[in-house]
Amino acid sequence: DTAVSQTPKYLVTQMGNDKSIKCEQNLGHDTMYWYKQDSKKFLKIMFSYNNKELIINETVPNRFSPKSPDKAHLNLHINSLELGDSAVYFCASSQSIQGDGGYTFGSGTRLTVV
Amino acid sequence: AQSVSQHNHHVILSEAASLELGCNYSYGGTVNLFWYVQYPGQHLQLLLKYFSGDPLVKGIKGFEAEFIKSKFSFNLRKPSVQWSDTAEYFCAARPGYSSASKIIFGSGTRLSIRP
Repeated sequence: DTAVSQTPKYLVTQMGNDKSIKCEQNLGHDTMYWYKQDSKKFLKIMFSYNNKELIINETVPNRFSPKSPDKAHLNLHINSLELGDSAVYFCASSQSIQGDGGYTFGSGTRLTVV
Repeated sequence: AQSVSQHNHHVILSEAASLELGCNYSYGGTVNLFWYVQYPGQHLQLLLKYFSGDPLVKGIKGFEAEFIKSKFSFNLRKPSVQWSDTAEYFCAARPGYSSASKIIFGSGTRLSIRP
């Protein structure tokens, strides 16, 4: 059983399109995150939700809108995709908002905008 | 600004060589520290973590790290590397004073092991 699962694994789309990435965790964790990993492997946090409530929102363009229907799911919707959005997006979860025990990461979604 | 620095971008070693990857953080107070590994094409996996107590932390796959508060460092070590250790290694830190603070990652160190 995959602990943190993301779909799709690969996503190729044209500029200007709108796309969504889904994330689900079956660990019973309270907190979920979205990280963006750029071409140089640098990981930067985008959002964090705790029990469906937004707690961290880094300086991310408002074309990116996370949605958490319940604490096991954190989806990422991206409007008007741009070339610079190409990256690997990782979903993660932690048992609590303190992040004790570290994060459990999903396998990533490689987004390519052409 | 809070940051995590990994000064070695790419390390190349032969099998059985000893490994030390540097990590420095900029937080002044209580800090939680982590090392993650990302094997080619895979997601990040936790290698080890430090929250408090013994500053020498042992993790999975023979890795260990030492927290040296005076140097703001948390270097990763392994006495004898294997070809299967080829991966990207990320140091990460989180201020321990805030309940909602995020983990910040370093830029990663690529480790290549020659068979």
